[in-house]
Amino acid sequence: EAGVTQFPSHSVIEKGQTVTLRCDPISGHDNLYWYRRVMGKEIKFLLHFVKESKQDESGMPNNRFLAERTGGTYSTLKVQPAELEDSGVYFCASSQGRGGNTGELFFGEGSRLTVL
Amino acid sequence: GDSVTQMEGPVTLSEEAFLTINCTYTATGYPSLFWYVQYPGEGLQLLLKATKADDKGSNKGFEATYRKETTSFHLEKGSVQVSDSAVYFCALTSGGSNYKLTFGKGTLLTVNP
Repeated sequence: EAGVTQFPSHSVIEKGQTVTLRCDPISGHDNLYWYRRVMGKEIKFLLHFVKESKQDESGMPNNRFLAERTGGTYSTLKVQPAELEDSGVYFCASSQGRGGNTGELFFGEGSRLTVL
Repeated sequence: GDSVTQMEGPVTLSEEAFLTINCTYTATGYPSLFWYVQYPGEGLQLLLKATKADDKGSNKGFEATYRKETTSFHLEKGSVQVSDSAVYFCALTSGGSNYKLTFGKGTLLTVNP
């Protein structure tokens, strides 16, 4: 069974440009999450989808970030325009239930974003 | 708000050495506690968990006990292997949320043969 896959693995862009990160969750997982880790800091929650609906976007830093999950399958996270402080690793995770009965989220390898 | 503090490392050990990675937390209510591990080139994966005080989570020779009185969840392994080299993250959920994990900064462990 394929795990959570993220693309690209690394993106280098200039300040002011746009970047779109993609996440393909594990097949059959209705719940999808985005987290990010900025340099030297903890991994922090961004938002949670159940199918195509945003359930919790309390962690989104500002309106330059837009997450979508059309059709309830893969998700994209767009940063527009990117700023220097957006650099970091963006993790996607999925689960069957809301964190599952086991409390287990399945994470991808992450997409590293570098803004110059 | 909730927070997790773990020893940041890096930690370098020889094979068969004893491992302890300290983790303490601050949380409202009664959190669930987790250790996630990220091996090179892979995503984070759940290593073990504990959902109430005095519970012991265990997996792959690793153990951690939920200590409410000291607000701690230290990770231990009696004899590490080279294949245990990875980044280890302590985390918690609280307030009825099973998905909004609060993470520590992670500890890089390198085990040398």
